[in-house]
Amino acid sequence: GAVVSQHPSWVICKSGTSVKIECRSLDFQATTMFWYRQFPKQSLMLMATSNEGSKATYEQGVEKDKFLINHASLTLSTLTVTSAHPEDSSFYICSVPGLANTGELFFGEGSRLTVL
Amino acid sequence: QKEVEQNSGPLSVPEGAIASLNCTYSDRGSQSFFWYRQYSGKSPELIMSIYSNGDKEDGRFTAQLNKASQYVSLLIRDSQPSDSATYLCAVNGEGGGNKLTFGTGTQLKVEL
Repeated sequence: GAVVSQHPSWVICKSGTSVKIECRSLDFQATTMFWYRQFPKQSLMLMATSNEGSKATYEQGVEKDKFLINHASLTLSTLTVTSAHPEDSSFYICSVPGLANTGELFFGEGSRLTVL
Repeated sequence: QKEVEQNSGPLSVPEGAIASLNCTYSDRGSQSFFWYRQYSGKSPELIMSIYSNGDKEDGRFTAQLNKASQYVSLLIRDSQPSDSATYLCAVNGEGGGNKLTFGTGTQLKVEL
């Protein structure tokens, strides 16, 4: 399966600041990446689909101006949480789909964001 | 709205026993079904995929799919303490593709 690297693993920031999370596909080129968010004791919720060279597709209820996604190359997608607030504290996980387009996903290590 | 339902548990089984995890889904057009294992504080790890009715075995793991009943299960034989984790069921939508809907997960505890 795909090797996916995320950075940083954890970050603590003050309310009102912006935080950037990077997701890299290390062993193959990914035209699509997915960003998920997971609150404690809850399941993964898809936030957006990151598309290389074009705008991201956001799920209903996810603010595109707050969660900026850039997929500038076939191996890198970034998620920027702008003007973070305590309610944005969560576990953010990116994933890369397998080559067969069957729904198989490979996840990065996740980034735990704590907003004070 | 697509739904994937799992019993949150915890499901406790003794070491060496069979653990049975269940999942139901609402989208009858779903084509791909997955089981992910998630350790506390870590990201999910794919352990099984199944696409057609019946059983699929991989080592100690067996996935079972019944599309008529919209039911998918995971059996773990000879359960080990290292199997203690949350198991997430995930399903894609009608037409296939890579957008998955996840259940809330079942916490499994394998006791010595």
